[in-house]
Amino acid sequence: DTAVSQTPKYLVTQMGNDKSIKCEQNLGHDTMYWYKQDSKKFLKIMFSYNNKELIINETVPNRFSPKSPDKAHLNLHINSLELGDSAVYFCASSHVPGLGEKLFFGSGTQLSVL
Amino acid sequence: AQKVTQAQTEISVVEKEDVTLDCVYETRDTTYYLFWYKQPPSGELVFLIRRNSFDEQNEISGRYSWNFQKSTSSFNFTITASQVVDSAVYFCALLTSGTYKYIFGTGTRLKVLA
Repeated sequence: DTAVSQTPKYLVTQMGNDKSIKCEQNLGHDTMYWYKQDSKKFLKIMFSYNNKELIINETVPNRFSPKSPDKAHLNLHINSLELGDSAVYFCASSHVPGLGEKLFFGSGTQLSVL
Repeated sequence: AQKVTQAQTEISVVEKEDVTLDCVYETRDTTYYLFWYKQPPSGELVFLIRRNSFDEQNEISGRYSWNFQKSTSSFNFTITASQVVDSAVYFCALLTSGTYKYIFGTGTRLKVLA
Protein backbone atom coordinates (compact mmCIF):
# COMPACT_ATOMS: atom_id res chain seq x y z
CA ASP A 1 0.00 0.00 0.00
CA THR A 2 1.33 3.40 -0.97
CA ALA A 3 1.87 5.55 2.11
CA VAL A 4 1.42 8.95 0.45
CA SER A 5 -0.34 8.89 -2.87
CA GLN A 6 -1.00 11.82 -5.12
CA THR A 7 -2.87 12.02 -8.38
CA PRO A 8 -2.44 12.63 -11.18
CA LYS A 9 1.21 11.83 -11.80
CA TYR A 10 1.27 13.98 -14.93
CA LEU A 11 -0.88 16.98 -15.69
CA VAL A 12 -0.66 18.82 -18.99
CA THR A 13 -2.94 21.79 -19.43
CA GLN A 14 -3.39 25.11 -21.14
CA MET A 15 -2.75 28.50 -19.63
CA GLY A 16 -5.77 29.91 -17.89
CA ASN A 17 -7.26 26.57 -16.92
CA ASP A 18 -8.08 25.48 -13.37
CA LYS A 19 -6.73 22.19 -12.10
CA SER A 20 -6.53 20.16 -8.91
CA ILE A 21 -4.00 17.72 -7.49
CA LYS A 22 -5.14 15.26 -4.86
CA CYS A 23 -3.14 13.78 -2.03
CA GLU A 24 -3.95 11.10 0.48
CA GLN A 25 -1.86 9.49 3.21
CA ASN A 26 -2.62 6.29 5.07
CA LEU A 27 0.08 6.66 7.72
CA GLY A 28 -2.11 8.24 10.36
CA HIS A 29 -0.08 11.44 10.28
CA ASP A 30 -1.48 14.70 11.54
CA THR A 31 0.54 17.00 9.31
CA MET A 32 0.56 17.31 5.53
CA TYR A 33 2.45 19.55 3.15
CA TRP A 34 2.72 20.74 -0.40
CA TYR A 35 6.15 21.38 -1.84
CA LYS A 36 7.01 22.78 -5.26
CA GLN A 37 10.14 21.64 -7.08
CA ASP A 38 11.21 23.87 -9.92
CA SER A 39 13.31 22.99 -12.96
CA LYS A 40 16.50 23.56 -10.98
CA LYS A 41 15.34 20.98 -8.43
CA PHE A 42 14.86 23.53 -5.70
CA LEU A 43 12.28 22.32 -3.15
CA LYS A 44 10.16 25.03 -1.63
CA ILE A 45 7.38 24.61 0.86
CA MET A 46 4.03 26.05 -0.13
CA PHE A 47 1.56 25.00 2.54
CA SER A 48 1.28 22.87 5.62
CA TYR A 49 -1.78 21.64 7.44
CA ASN A 50 -1.96 20.13 10.89
CA ASN A 51 -5.20 18.37 11.77
CA LYS A 52 -6.97 20.20 8.92
CA GLU A 53 -5.73 23.57 10.13
CA LEU A 54 -3.51 25.71 7.91
CA ILE A 55 -0.24 26.39 9.72
CA ILE A 56 2.17 27.34 6.96
CA ASN A 57 1.20 29.53 4.05
CA GLU A 58 4.30 30.69 2.27
CA THR A 59 4.36 33.48 -0.26
CA VAL A 60 2.27 31.72 -2.84
CA PRO A 61 -0.08 33.40 -5.32
CA ASN A 62 -3.73 33.42 -4.30
CA ARG A 63 -4.43 31.26 -7.32
CA PHE A 64 -3.15 28.35 -5.24
CA SER A 65 -5.62 27.11 -2.65
CA PRO A 66 -5.11 24.06 -0.47
CA LYS A 67 -8.04 22.17 0.95
CA SER A 68 -7.95 19.58 3.70
CA PRO A 69 -11.29 17.80 4.08
CA ASP A 70 -9.80 15.55 6.76
CA LYS A 71 -6.34 14.94 8.14
CA ALA A 72 -5.64 12.15 5.66
CA HIS A 73 -6.23 14.35 2.62
CA LEU A 74 -4.70 17.56 1.35
CA ASN A 75 -5.66 18.73 -2.10
CA LEU A 76 -4.20 21.58 -4.10
CA HIS A 77 -6.35 23.62 -6.42
CA ILE A 78 -4.79 26.02 -8.88
CA ASN A 79 -6.79 28.68 -10.69
CA SER A 80 -5.87 30.48 -13.89
CA LEU A 81 -2.74 28.46 -14.53
CA GLU A 82 0.33 30.31 -15.78
CA LEU A 83 3.43 29.12 -17.61
CA GLY A 84 5.50 29.69 -14.47
CA ASP A 85 3.40 27.18 -12.55
CA SER A 86 5.05 24.38 -14.49
CA ALA A 87 6.92 22.31 -11.90
CA VAL A 88 6.76 19.10 -9.94
CA TYR A 89 4.47 19.31 -6.93
CA PHE A 90 5.10 16.99 -4.03
CA CYS A 91 2.72 16.15 -1.27
CA ALA A 92 4.23 14.99 2.02
CA SER A 93 3.15 14.03 5.49
CA SER A 94 4.69 13.54 8.91
CA HIS A 95 3.94 12.97 12.56
CA VAL A 96 4.41 16.01 14.75
CA PRO A 97 7.34 17.70 12.96
CA GLY A 98 8.48 19.64 15.98
CA LEU A 99 9.83 16.39 17.35
CA GLY A 100 12.03 15.87 14.33
CA GLU A 101 9.84 13.46 12.45
CA LYS A 102 10.85 12.71 8.90
CA LEU A 103 8.79 13.62 5.89
CA PHE A 104 7.15 10.96 3.77
CA PHE A 105 6.74 12.14 0.20
CA GLY A 106 4.33 11.23 -2.53
CA SER A 107 5.72 10.41 -5.95
CA GLY A 108 5.09 13.90 -7.29
CA THR A 109 2.82 15.47 -9.90
CA GLN A 110 4.54 16.92 -12.92
CA LEU A 111 2.51 19.90 -14.05
CA SER A 112 3.14 21.29 -17.51
CA VAL A 113 1.35 24.47 -18.50
CA LEU A 114 1.35 25.15 -22.24
CA ALA B 1 17.01 32.72 10.09
CA GLN B 2 17.38 29.12 9.10
CA LYS B 3 19.32 28.19 6.02
CA VAL B 4 20.87 25.13 4.39
CA THR B 5 23.70 25.45 1.91
CA GLN B 6 24.81 22.72 -0.43
CA ALA B 7 27.60 24.45 -2.31
CA GLN B 8 28.28 21.56 -4.67
CA THR B 9 25.80 21.81 -7.51
CA GLU B 10 27.02 18.75 -9.35
CA ILE B 11 29.67 16.12 -8.74
CA SER B 12 30.87 13.46 -11.15
CA VAL B 13 32.87 10.47 -10.02
CA VAL B 14 33.91 7.19 -11.51
CA GLU B 15 32.42 4.06 -10.05
CA LYS B 16 34.16 2.78 -6.90
CA GLU B 17 35.44 6.23 -5.97
CA ASP B 18 34.50 7.69 -2.60
CA VAL B 19 32.56 10.93 -2.65
CA THR B 20 31.51 13.42 0.02
CA LEU B 21 28.51 15.69 -0.29
CA ASP B 22 28.71 18.81 1.83
CA CYS B 23 25.92 20.38 3.83
CA VAL B 24 26.26 23.52 5.93
CA TYR B 25 23.35 24.81 7.96
CA GLU B 26 22.47 27.96 9.87
CA THR B 27 20.18 28.20 12.84
CA ARG B 28 20.15 29.99 16.18
CA ASP B 29 18.11 27.27 17.82
CA THR B 30 19.82 24.78 20.06
CA THR B 31 17.41 21.98 19.24
CA TYR B 32 17.13 21.06 15.61
CA TYR B 33 17.11 18.12 13.25
CA LEU B 34 19.05 17.43 10.09
CA PHE B 35 18.04 15.12 7.27
CA TRP B 36 19.35 13.74 4.04
CA TYR B 37 17.05 12.73 1.19
CA LYS B 38 17.86 11.07 -2.12
CA GLN B 39 16.02 11.81 -5.36
CA PRO B 40 16.94 9.26 -8.03
CA PRO B 41 16.14 9.86 -11.71
CA SER B 42 12.72 8.28 -11.17
CA GLY B 43 11.83 11.38 -9.16
CA GLU B 44 10.68 10.15 -5.77
CA LEU B 45 12.21 11.54 -2.59
CA VAL B 46 13.72 8.89 -0.36
CA PHE B 47 14.61 9.46 3.28
CA LEU B 48 18.17 8.47 4.17
CA ILE B 49 18.92 9.71 7.68
CA ARG B 50 17.87 12.00 10.49
CA ARG B 51 20.14 13.41 13.18
CA ASN B 52 19.20 15.61 16.12
CA SER B 53 21.39 18.42 17.39
CA PHE B 54 22.30 16.62 20.60
CA ASP B 55 23.66 13.57 18.90
CA GLU B 56 26.98 14.25 17.22
CA GLN B 57 27.84 10.63 16.84
CA ASN B 58 28.72 9.77 13.28
CA GLU B 59 26.68 7.12 11.60
CA ILE B 60 27.49 4.43 9.09
CA SER B 61 24.99 2.43 7.10
CA GLY B 62 26.61 0.14 4.59
CA ARG B 63 28.47 2.30 2.08
CA TYR B 64 26.88 5.47 3.47
CA SER B 65 28.26 7.49 6.34
CA TRP B 66 27.40 10.84 7.85
CA ASN B 67 29.64 13.25 9.70
CA PHE B 68 27.87 15.76 11.93
CA GLN B 69 30.00 18.59 13.35
CA LYS B 70 28.27 21.30 15.32
CA SER B 71 31.47 23.31 15.55
CA THR B 72 31.37 23.90 11.81
CA SER B 73 27.59 23.57 11.40
CA SER B 74 28.07 20.81 8.91
CA PHE B 75 26.38 17.51 8.23
CA ASN B 76 28.31 15.87 5.42
CA PHE B 77 27.43 12.67 3.63
CA THR B 78 30.01 10.24 2.27
CA ILE B 79 29.41 7.40 -0.13
CA THR B 80 32.17 4.83 -0.15
CA ALA B 81 32.88 2.82 -3.29
CA SER B 82 30.21 4.63 -5.27
CA GLN B 83 27.99 2.76 -7.68
CA VAL B 84 26.03 3.85 -10.72
CA VAL B 85 22.82 3.37 -8.73
CA ASP B 86 23.97 6.13 -6.39
CA SER B 87 23.44 8.63 -9.20
CA ALA B 88 20.78 10.99 -7.91
CA VAL B 89 20.15 14.42 -6.49
CA TYR B 90 20.81 14.53 -2.76
CA PHE B 91 19.13 17.02 -0.48
CA CYS B 92 20.09 18.10 3.00
CA ALA B 93 17.31 19.57 5.16
CA LEU B 94 16.94 21.35 8.49
CA LEU B 95 14.03 21.39 10.91
CA THR B 96 14.09 23.43 14.09
CA SER B 97 12.27 22.13 17.12
CA GLY B 98 8.70 23.30 17.51
CA THR B 99 8.31 24.30 13.89
CA TYR B 100 6.67 22.66 10.93
CA LYS B 101 8.98 24.08 8.30
CA TYR B 102 11.59 21.81 6.79
CA ILE B 103 14.21 23.89 5.02
CA PHE B 104 15.86 22.14 2.10
CA GLY B 105 19.20 22.88 0.52
CA THR B 106 19.40 23.33 -3.23
CA GLY B 107 20.58 19.77 -3.72
CA THR B 108 23.73 18.18 -5.12
CA ARG B 109 23.48 16.17 -8.30
CA LEU B 110 25.78 13.16 -8.11
CA LYS B 111 26.71 11.36 -11.30
CA VAL B 112 28.52 8.07 -10.94
CA LEU B 113 30.06 6.96 -14.20
CA ALA B 114 30.66 3.32 -15.03
